[in-house]
Amino acid sequence: DAMVIQNPRYQVTQFGKPVTLSCSQTLNHNVMYWYQQKSSQAPKLLFHYYDKDFNNEADTPDNFQSRRPNTSFCFLDIRSPGLGDAAMYLCATSSVIPGLAGSRAAKNIQYFGAGTRLSVL
Amino acid sequence: QKEVEQDPGPLSVPEGAIVSLNCTYSNSAFQYFMWYRQYSRKGPELLMYTYSSGNKEDGRFTAQVDKSSKYISLFIRDSQPSDSATYLCAMSGGPLNSGGYQKVTFGTGTKLQVIP
Repeated sequence: DAMVIQNPRYQVTQFGKPVTLSCSQTLNHNVMYWYQQKSSQAPKLLFHYYDKDFNNEADTPDNFQSRRPNTSFCFLDIRSPGLGDAAMYLCATSSVIPGLAGSRAAKNIQYFGAGTRLSVL
Repeated sequence: QKEVEQDPGPLSVPEGAIVSLNCTYSNSAFQYFMWYRQYSRKGPELLMYTYSSGNKEDGRFTAQVDKSSKYISLFIRDSQPSDSATYLCAMSGGPLNSGGYQKVTFGTGTKLQVIP
């Protein structure tokens, strides 16, 4: 089955120790997203790649970086994790056909991986 | 005011009950409406999506959109203990970003518990 796979499922790191989370997809989708989700909250978009174009959200801390070496893989790097970065990190993908304003072709249906739960000690 | 409002619950129902989950929104430009199911410590799973107003049915699940009231619903018939999860609504529409597509706005989710 085509899917979005995140590794590892659980990650424990120490305060300030860099960590990398990975995401791969077999859906051949052109857009890949990284979300942060804390308990009882909506997923918060950190950034996304449209093909190779990186799009950062204005309020995403510099501590968070991302790489997309090819269509199938995307990585989330947290350079110096703080206690406040403990959360579920979700990778999502979508197949987007850019359209004109108001075009139905501009829909964006996202498919998620199982997530990586990050703990910071 | 948040763009998408969703009652966090928890909502507890007996097995076999009809469940109604709802979201309200403020952005009249939303065109696509999605429902995700998220089990504890797992990622959201897409259940179904609809475009504009109307109903869509998939097995025991029915999604309803009322754009005039800015209100969407997900109905679950014959609810099962395996339906116990958090249900997130999500919406997209409005001005396209520089890439020519739309961001998705999520609700905070409603936690559902189906009691055997």
